[in-house]
Amino acid sequence: NAGVMQNPRHLVRRRGQEARLRCSPMKGHSHVYWYRQLPEEGLKFMVYLQKENIIDESGMPKERFSAEFPKEGPSILRIQQVVRGDSAAYFCASSRRGRDGYTFGSGTRLTVV
Amino acid sequence: SQKIEQNSEALNIQEGKTATLTCNYTNYSPAYLQWYRQDPGRGPVFLLLIRENEKEKRKERLKVTFDTTLKQSLFHITASQPADSATYLCALQYDNYGQNFVFGPGTRLSVLP
Repeated sequence: NAGVMQNPRHLVRRRGQEARLRCSPMKGHSHVYWYRQLPEEGLKFMVYLQKENIIDESGMPKERFSAEFPKEGPSILRIQQVVRGDSAAYFCASSRRGRDGYTFGSGTRLTVV
Repeated sequence: SQKIEQNSEALNIQEGKTATLTCNYTNYSPAYLQWYRQDPGRGPVFLLLIRENEKEKRKERLKVTFDTTLKQSLFHITASQPADSATYLCALQYDNYGQNFVFGPGTRLSVLP
């Protein structure tokens, strides 16, 4: 029973390019959460999705960031026109129900050069 | 807005002693409180969940307490070992179905042999 799978583990993008981060939740989990962690800082909530629906995107920057969780396939966090300040570790977590403990992936470390 | 504080950025203790980590919050009490462990370069790992109507929860060498009057949770590791060295995060969820967990900044624990 594989855990939460995130890919790629490391991603380097030049300023202005697009970054696509993928997350496959644990089998049987229909709730997906994206968090961002800056060096020496805590985890900051970005967005919460269930299949085909965005439940809470209150932590998402208003521009350049979007997320989806289609009926088939992984959840995608998309960052358009990346800037240096987007460099961070992006973690995806999943749960069976909204109040369960989360299972986190190993994260994608985005570096914008 | 809700604020979460964890006792200190770093805590050093001697092997075999009990480590006690603190999580304090402001304003209203969460319905659920969780503790996670995070190792460098990895995603957080869920340890324990405690509900607002529970005073204490135990799991092997771990114990969590939840005092809604003090607005505080304590996390104890008894008979600590160097392998317990990690950053420990508390996370709070409020009583809206499916709402995401809000994470504290974490405490970095070092258990010295």
